[in-house]
Amino acid sequence: DGGITQSPKYLFRKEGQNVTLSCEQNLNHDAMYWYRQDPGQGLRLIYYSQIVNDFQKGDIAEGYSVSREKKESFPLTVTSAQKNPTAFYLCASSPGLGLRYEQYFGPGTRLTVT
Amino acid sequence: RKEVEQDPGPFNVPEGATVAFNCTYSNSASQSFFWYRQDCRKEPKLLMSVYSSGNEDGRFTAQLNRASQYISLLIRDSKLSDSATYLCVVRLDAGNNRKLIWGLGTSLAVNP
Repeated sequence: DGGITQSPKYLFRKEGQNVTLSCEQNLNHDAMYWYRQDPGQGLRLIYYSQIVNDFQKGDIAEGYSVSREKKESFPLTVTSAQKNPTAFYLCASSPGLGLRYEQYFGPGTRLTVT
Repeated sequence: RKEVEQDPGPFNVPEGATVAFNCTYSNSASQSFFWYRQDCRKEPKLLMSVYSSGNEDGRFTAQLNRASQYISLLIRDSKLSDSATYLCVVRLDAGNNRKLIWGLGTSLAVNP
């Protein structure tokens, strides 16, 4: 079955530690995205990637880093510089960045930093 | 004014009822529109894309009014399983500025 997987589902870290969230897709989609969702707020774009070895900052990239070494994978690192890292992190993909390309989401990772 | 606005609800309706949500957007350069549903503590799932004046998929009908800058979602014959938060998404394409803008969602509870 094609889809997007994210792991782990729940993640707990101590403040000051970097943590990497996994996102893998086997949909053969070119574009991939990372969002965070906080209570009472809409989805906010962190980073996105249109093709392998290329990625762009979204609206709230500070304190995060990504890589896109393979088409299938787009891991997100939450660094210690991110001031409010506790959130629900969602990875998405779409066939491209074209006008009609809907985004499909993985199940998400809930990160709690204490 | 927010870029995408939705009534947060909650909308409480009985099974079998017809319910409609509106979503207004502020940027006339918006090109495409989507409705997603999100269950509690789950990921958003695409419900419908709205590219022209509207489209229908079973019990769900989405309409677009570009002049008044809003889209609507109509759900007929509501089922218990329709209980969720419905997210309105607007795609903005203006030069190099290409992004999705997400509404905060409208909460629907269908009651037996």
